[in-house]
Amino acid sequence: GAGVSQSPRYKVAKRGQDVALRCDPISGHVSLFWYQQALGQGPEFLTYFQNEAQLDKSGLPSDRFFAERPEGSVSTLKIQRTQQEDSAVYLCASSLVGGNEQFFGPGTRLTVL
Amino acid sequence: GENVEQHPSTLSVQEGDSAVIKCTYSDSASNYFPWYKQELGKGPQLIIDIRSNVGEKKDQRIAVTLNKTAKHFSLHITETQPEDSAVYFCAANQGTGTASKLTFGTGTRLQVTL
Repeated sequence: GAGVSQSPRYKVAKRGQDVALRCDPISGHVSLFWYQQALGQGPEFLTYFQNEAQLDKSGLPSDRFFAERPEGSVSTLKIQRTQQEDSAVYLCASSLVGGNEQFFGPGTRLTVL
Repeated sequence: GENVEQHPSTLSVQEGDSAVIKCTYSDSASNYFPWYKQELGKGPQLIIDIRSNVGEKKDQRIAVTLNKTAKHFSLHITETQPEDSAVYFCAANQGTGTASKLTFGTGTRLQVTL
């Protein structure tokens, strides 16, 4: 079946631009996570949704980062006024309600020039 | 918060040999420990996981062991093949819902040579 999909796969932004990254979770998965993966590092948690409710945003690095999931399915991670340190791969994962297994999408590689 | 350490950072083995990757965690409340394989340009792929009520789990050539007392867990790959070459990440979390965010190790780059 279809897995987690993310778009765009690659995004190049000039410093100061706003970007929006999209995640389509596996159908029926209630939980959705965003992670940031810097080059050569493991993924780091950004934020967590259960349905449309954002229950944990403790990992968002600054108020320039904003995530939403208005209908409990597709989610968008928005970064305002991008900085060079925002360059990373942004990964989305989803899981069943009450489940531990998280399934990841292919990621969006963001490069800020 | 939870801290997961992973070693070695790189591992080179000959085809057919075994590979072992080790991780330690800091928070005794952690109870779920997945392992992910990440190939270049792709997202992490779940390959095996273990829960804290089990000491060992095996799936074909892959096995994971957990020592709760020592707070460490390991991935064992036997009869390695070139397609096993990738970066492997261990992770830990403390349950479901708001406790389900994963804390990852820093990764092990495994290279299987012919």
